[in-house]
Amino acid sequence: ETGVTQSPTHLIKTRGQQVTLRCSSQSGHNTVSWYQQALGQGPQFIFQYYREEENGRGNFPPRFSGLQFPNYSSELNVNALELDDSALYLCASSLRAGQETQYFGPGTRLLVL
Amino acid sequence: QKEVEQDPGPLSVPEGAIVSLNCTYSNSAFQYFMWYRQYSRKGPELLMYTYSSGNKEDGRFTAQVDKSSKYISLFIRDSQPSDSATYLCATFKQGGSEKLVFGKGTKLTVNP
Repeated sequence: ETGVTQSPTHLIKTRGQQVTLRCSSQSGHNTVSWYQQALGQGPQFIFQYYREEENGRGNFPPRFSGLQFPNYSSELNVNALELDDSALYLCASSLRAGQETQYFGPGTRLLVL
Repeated sequence: QKEVEQDPGPLSVPEGAIVSLNCTYSNSAFQYFMWYRQYSRKGPELLMYTYSSGNKEDGRFTAQVDKSSKYISLFIRDSQPSDSATYLCATFKQGGSEKLVFGKGTKLTVNP
C-alpha cells in the first residue's frame, strides 16, 4: 500500500506568478484535502475534493483552486502569488468524505520572493 | 477566540520523563480528537485519535479527552530522543465542513 505522495518537494516562485502542486492519494482513498501550514503554525484547511467535486472550503480566496482526477489524484493551483503564500502545502487523503482520519503527505514547501 | 488553542512551547525534557501535552477547544460540537506528530520538514503523521470523551492507550502514548472542560491531552511515558518532534492536536466534526482544525503545535525535545 503506497502512502500519500506530493510533488514537487520544494518550489521557489516570484510574486504574481502561478503555481500548481500535485498529490497522489493513498491507495483506496477517494477523498483529498489540502492544507496550508505557515512557519510555526498548525495546518489550515484550504479545501477538500471528493469524487472530483469540491466538498468543503476553508477561508481562502478564489485564487486558490483545485482539481481532482478520476484516479483520485489532485492538484492545487494558486494564482497571483503573494509573499504570504510562502508555506508548506500539505495534501491529506481519507477513505471517504466525512471521515475523521486523514493521512498526510510530506508536503510541498513553497517560497514566494 | 481560536477554535483550538495549544501552547507552542518549546518543551524540553530528559530521556525517560513523562511528557504531558495539552490543548483546549471552543466548539462543543467537535466529536473526534486527534494527535499528529510532525518531524522537522515532514508532513504530520497520525498518532492517535479518540471519539468523544475518554482515554485511549497505544504503547507509550495515552490520549485523553474531557468534553465537559473541552480539554485534550497526550501523555508520553518513558520519552525517547526519537520522540523529539512537534505534536499537533486536531479536532473534527462530522457533517461539518469536512476539515480538521489544528492547534499551533507544541515543539518537544527529549534530551539523551
